[in-house]
Amino acid sequence: GQQVMQIPQYQHVQEGEDFTTYCNSSTTLSNIQWYKQRPGGHPVFLIQLVKSGEVKKQKRLTFQFGEAKKNSSLHITATQTTDVGTYFCASNSNSGYALNFGKGTSLLVTP
Amino acid sequence: DAGVTQSPTHLIKTRGQQVTLRCSPKSGHDTVSWYQQALGQGPQFIFQYYEEEERQRGNFPDRFSGHQFPNYSSELNVNALLLGDSALYLCASSVRGQGSYGYTFGSGTRLTVV
Repeated sequence: GQQVMQIPQYQHVQEGEDFTTYCNSSTTLSNIQWYKQRPGGHPVFLIQLVKSGEVKKQKRLTFQFGEAKKNSSLHITATQTTDVGTYFCASNSNSGYALNFGKGTSLLVTP
Repeated sequence: DAGVTQSPTHLIKTRGQQVTLRCSPKSGHDTVSWYQQALGQGPQFIFQYYEEEERQRGNFPDRFSGHQFPNYSSELNVNALLLGDSALYLCASSVRGQGSYGYTFGSGTRLTVV
């Protein structure tokens, strides 16, 4: 499958600070999907990127797909305590059916 | 409400036993995928069912099997349970499997093997 690596593993920020998590692959990815999992919860779909260099925004969240389609990032501006959770990037396998997840970045926001 | 319903929510089994987990997909979705999520890890793909057939399988032993019913609901069966099978089992539904609009996950079944 298409393996994706995420960094950092953990991030602790003060409320109001920015946060970025990175997703990298050694191979070209067909797509990138981002999910958020709250503590004790289940993954919730945030967005999908498919085009080289694509940038999408959702309020304070900005998602980017690299020009070479080998990396992606999720940036949160002015974090809030509601942003707490683990953010996963994932990419579909060559067949398009399996979704291969990174290990996630756990975000802790203190007021 | 996740739209995907899984049962049971929690389960405790003994090594060597067998377990069946159930999933009802979101309304309008016809494809069900199963994932295993160990503590502190990302979900790992087990297999996907579409039109009552296993369409793709991840790197899991034959002890893991599944089924999809005509109403699109699905079961995951695990035989000869090992301690290492303890995990959160997630069901995800989508339309025709490729999740172009994202996969909808259920709340999961927390399986503990003792």
